[in-house]
Amino acid sequence: SQQGEEDPQALSIQEGENATMNCSYKTSINNLQWYRQNSGRGLVHLILIRSNEREKHSGRLRVTLDTSKKSSSLLITASRAADTASYFCAKITQGGSEKLVFGKGTKLTVNP
Amino acid sequence: DAGVIQSPRHEVTEMGQEVTLRCKPISGHNSLFWYRQTMMRGLELLIYFNNNVPIDDSGMPEDRFSAKMPNASFSTLKIQPSEPRDSAVYFCASSTRGMETQYFGPGTRLLVL
Repeated sequence: SQQGEEDPQALSIQEGENATMNCSYKTSINNLQWYRQNSGRGLVHLILIRSNEREKHSGRLRVTLDTSKKSSSLLITASRAADTASYFCAKITQGGSEKLVFGKGTKLTVNP
Repeated sequence: DAGVIQSPRHEVTEMGQEVTLRCKPISGHNSLFWYRQTMMRGLELLIYFNNNVPIDDSGMPEDRFSAKMPNASFSTLKIQPSEPRDSAVYFCASSTRGMETQYFGPGTRLLVL
């Protein structure tokens, strides 16, 4: 079953605007990861945020984590056409052998 | 530096044929993962290896699927016999930190007719 569920499923914005994607999960986590996938390509790791962190930045990316609400958000500021991609959150299942489980993703379109 | 290398990039085959997908992880990475991506089911972990040893193959759909990692720089995923429902994009990924920060290859797009 999918452990990370992204919202919205699709998002269309204009270049220069900010894009916010959300991820909810059901069970406790040690960390949560965000990945990007350009059309026809493999996934690219963006950010890992640990359960004892509330916010993390990488360039124009900002990730927040609220463990009390079991949710995370990815903010892309000043978006560019090149940011057009699908964005996935992923968490590591606990109990038994570990697995990295991905959500269905948010498809972001940035219009020039 | 070369990333994860997968071959072939595209494969079209007929039902019943054997399919072999290949992966070369990033040098120095000790964990290797095989994923399958479809529109219906999203991205699913099939199997992963740590130091060339299979750790968890519970995601392998059925006995038609098998994976090997004979050495640290090469892995194969084999489907025999293939079926149309196996059509998907298969990704290989590697890492130095287990489940954290995985590096994905470009994928193999498989179509079984």
